[in-house]
Amino acid sequence: EDKVVQSPLSLVVHEGDTVTLNCSYEVTNFRSLLWYKQEKKAPTFLFMLTSSGIEKKSGRLSSILDKKELFSILNITATQTGDSAVYLCAVGEGSSNTGKLIFGQGTTLQVKP
Amino acid sequence: ETGVTQTPRHLVMGMTNKKSLKCEQHLGHNAMYWYKQSAKKPLELMFVYSLEERVENNSVPSRFSPECPNSSHLFLHLHTLQPEDSALYLCASSQGRRGSLYEQFFGPGTRLTVL
Repeated sequence: EDKVVQSPLSLVVHEGDTVTLNCSYEVTNFRSLLWYKQEKKAPTFLFMLTSSGIEKKSGRLSSILDKKELFSILNITATQTGDSAVYLCAVGEGSSNTGKLIFGQGTTLQVKP
Repeated sequence: ETGVTQTPRHLVMGMTNKKSLKCEQHLGHNAMYWYKQSAKKPLELMFVYSLEERVENNSVPSRFSPECPNSSHLFLHLHTLQPEDSALYLCASSQGRRGSLYEQFFGPGTRLTVL
């Protein structure tokens, strides 16, 4: 059975800290890996990764994919209270050609002032 | 704003009621999705529509009935629900139907409580 596992499930840090969120997957027909940020509303898209070893960067956030070891990390540097959210990892599964995403359970990040 | 809207934002219903959730996307996408998000569980895909055709039904009970009249609108009709159906129901859309090479954009969700 396809699955996506995120760790840690929750994390508390102080402003200015750097955090690394992990996502490992076992998906038979891998197409892509996506990261989303969810506050008290819609998940908002952060990154899509399809190739190993190519870092994607947006401001203080960056992410990289390792297709050999089947994992991805999301880094946030110089964290701010506004980074507090649930971070969701999802893997795009390609066998059915329907754009199916398999989600992990999320990592809840709390950034304290 | 992601370009995907959902109404209502909150819904409380009894087990014998019939209600509908509505989703509309303003992005020109041609694939739409319904997800269920329960506490402490990953988002679960319920239905996928691509070019108004249902292409995925993820073993969802028949008390949930989707409808996609055109590529911009998606409904989820609810009847005789159970308390365990209480959850956040999220709608999403994406540009293409070619596997998972396009990011999905989510609406704000409908928080459903079944009494």
